[in-house]
Amino acid sequence: KNQVEQSPQSLIILEGKNCTLQCNYTVSPFSNLRWYKQDTGRGPVSLTIMTFSENTKSNGRYTATLDADTKQSSLHITASQLSDSASYICVVSDRGSTLGRLYFGRGTQLTVWP
Amino acid sequence: EADIYQTPRYLVIGTGKKITLECSQTMGHDKMYWYQQDPGMELHLIHYSYGVNSTEKGDLSSESTVSRIRTEHFPLTLESARPSHTSQYLCASSTGNEQFFGPGTRLTVL
Repeated sequence: KNQVEQSPQSLIILEGKNCTLQCNYTVSPFSNLRWYKQDTGRGPVSLTIMTFSENTKSNGRYTATLDADTKQSSLHITASQLSDSASYICVVSDRGSTLGRLYFGRGTQLTVWP
Repeated sequence: EADIYQTPRYLVIGTGKKITLECSQTMGHDKMYWYQQDPGMELHLIHYSYGVNSTEKGDLSSESTVSRIRTEHFPLTLESARPSHTSQYLCASSTGNEQFFGPGTRLTVL
């Protein structure tokens, strides 16, 4: 069964600190992996997208890594800000269908305290 | 920022009412999707469309229906709302790998 598991479920950090969120997946055949940021009451917004051949991708203070062999990804946030408080969702796409089927994790709820 | 819109943003209605959630995008995307999301849970695909006059049910069984008469519009309808329909509904569109999401509609059925 294709699944996406994220950890931790929730995380609280102080402003200015770094943090790393984890994503493990079993989706096969793999097409790409994205990290989305979802603010409370809003739709998800894409942060990064990585294909099989990419093992790191940065977007400002966000850096995603991908190990396609172990089927693991991480999202590292540097110098956190209050506005980083949100749910971070790992999404994996398979290439076995024309739909480009997406498999969603439940997200990690990040809270940044001043 | 993606040009995909959803209205209303919040809706509180009584049981048995018929409702339509609107979704529109100005990017000319062929593929559109409806997801349902409960707090702390993953998004579940309930409907999708490859283009005009194409609609399919997603993975999560839903009593809602959709239509795709124009490329830019993908409304979702509940003929008779029930408390079990209380959830957040997210619309998305794409041309390929990237899906762009609307802001969502938070539906509460009393």
